[in-house]
Amino acid sequence: GENVEQHPSTLSVQEGDSAVIKCTYSDSASNYFPWYKQELGKRPQLIIDIRSNVGEKKDQRIAVTLNKTAKHFSLHITETQPEDSAVYFCAASIQGGSEKLVFGKGTKLTVNP
Amino acid sequence: KAGVTQTPRYLIKTRGQQVTLSCSPISGHRSVSWYQQTPGQGLQFLFEYFSETQRNKGNFPGRFSGRQFSNSRSEMNVSTLELGDSALYLCASREVRGSMNTEAFFGQGTRLTVV
Repeated sequence: GENVEQHPSTLSVQEGDSAVIKCTYSDSASNYFPWYKQELGKRPQLIIDIRSNVGEKKDQRIAVTLNKTAKHFSLHITETQPEDSAVYFCAASIQGGSEKLVFGKGTKLTVNP
Repeated sequence: KAGVTQTPRYLIKTRGQQVTLSCSPISGHRSVSWYQQTPGQGLQFLFEYFSETQRNKGNFPGRFSGRQFSNSRSEMNVSTLELGDSALYLCASREVRGSMNTEAFFGQGTRLTVV
């Protein structure tokens, strides 16, 4: 079955710096890759997603890139702010109607003011 | 629109007991999935229901079961509880649009503690 590896497990940056989180997946059939942000004690919330027919997607300070050949995708956050501090999860699934998200283990991002 | 609602928020149970958790999806969302979140294993898929049918199942023992009602509300049941079942149980609902993956909206979760 699908396996998603996520690195790093923790990341500390200074406010204003960029943060990059990387994920690799094993199943070449996976074609949908969402990223979730989970603040302490709160529910995971989708921040951005990308489908396999797209190589990059941006939404303000957040971008995701996908390399299908290498089977990896990355989250880029620019101009980080303290409110970006949270745990970020990448996930992969196979488009086809049935929902099964396979998640990475998460990255705890701390943005120091 | 109201979000995904899970009840109860917290539960404490004793080993060997069983427990039922409830999830009310966003109105119009017919797919409901359940995930177990633990510090060691992260978020793991339990199962997905659509139109009262289980469409997919993760690698959990048969003690974990679920169902979905005609109004799309879902319940999951864990029988013969073990200490290792202590976790945050999250449900997620999504709109179904053909074969297109759509955003999964998560509930606040039910924190289950087995003592």
